[in-house]
Amino acid sequence: DSGVTQTPKHLITATGQRVTLRCSPRSGDLSVYWYQQSLDQGLQFLIQYYNGEERAKGNILERFSAQQFPDLHSELNLSSLELGDSALYFCASSPRLAGGYQETQYFGPGTRLLVL
Amino acid sequence: AQSVAQPEDQVNVAEGNPLTVKCTYSVSGNPYLFWYVQYPNRGLQFLLKYITGDNLVKGSYGFEAEFNKSQTSFHLKKPSALVSDSALYFCAVRDVNDMRFGAGTRLTVKP
Repeated sequence: DSGVTQTPKHLITATGQRVTLRCSPRSGDLSVYWYQQSLDQGLQFLIQYYNGEERAKGNILERFSAQQFPDLHSELNLSSLELGDSALYFCASSPRLAGGYQETQYFGPGTRLLVL
Repeated sequence: AQSVAQPEDQVNVAEGNPLTVKCTYSVSGNPYLFWYVQYPNRGLQFLLKYITGDNLVKGSYGFEAEFNKSQTSFHLKKPSALVSDSALYFCAVRDVNDMRFGAGTRLTVKP
């Protein structure tokens, strides 16, 4: 158990809908990362937050957005969902350093999203 | 742009034999390299990382990786494979703005 929690575990929704995925980082970790894992795209970095501020942005679509709250939990919002958004979405957290690319990331169990 | 490549989709070894999972990288500056393992229906688990220092990095579960700058490689190794090592293995490279993962290598260890 990494200490990172994600809810829900599974989510089934329809095209055009909007969903929110939630992540609670390990106790004391200030950085949160979001990843998408799909069969055709592999594991892709979406976005990073550090202590409430956006820190780095990867291959995140404009239909997707995220935020990190004062209690350090984070939410990933996916809107106008398409069939191709079906994937496993992971959250990861790391301690302390904002730009510390030496930091190990600890991954949550993921949320499996199915768009029908 | 930085990238990593895992040239093998699948690696099969017999239990007790040594295993190697290959990774090559391309970066413009100093490489920060990681190996993660993913078991079925689970998140990724950190195995080890190379930041600087000794080229041989020791990690969790008896795994180690050898950083080779001239060959731009960071192969994952274990002297004696276990059936429980069967999983999906990811190599990754990190810089300040991005984390790039390889496509993954599925390791199967047969009894």
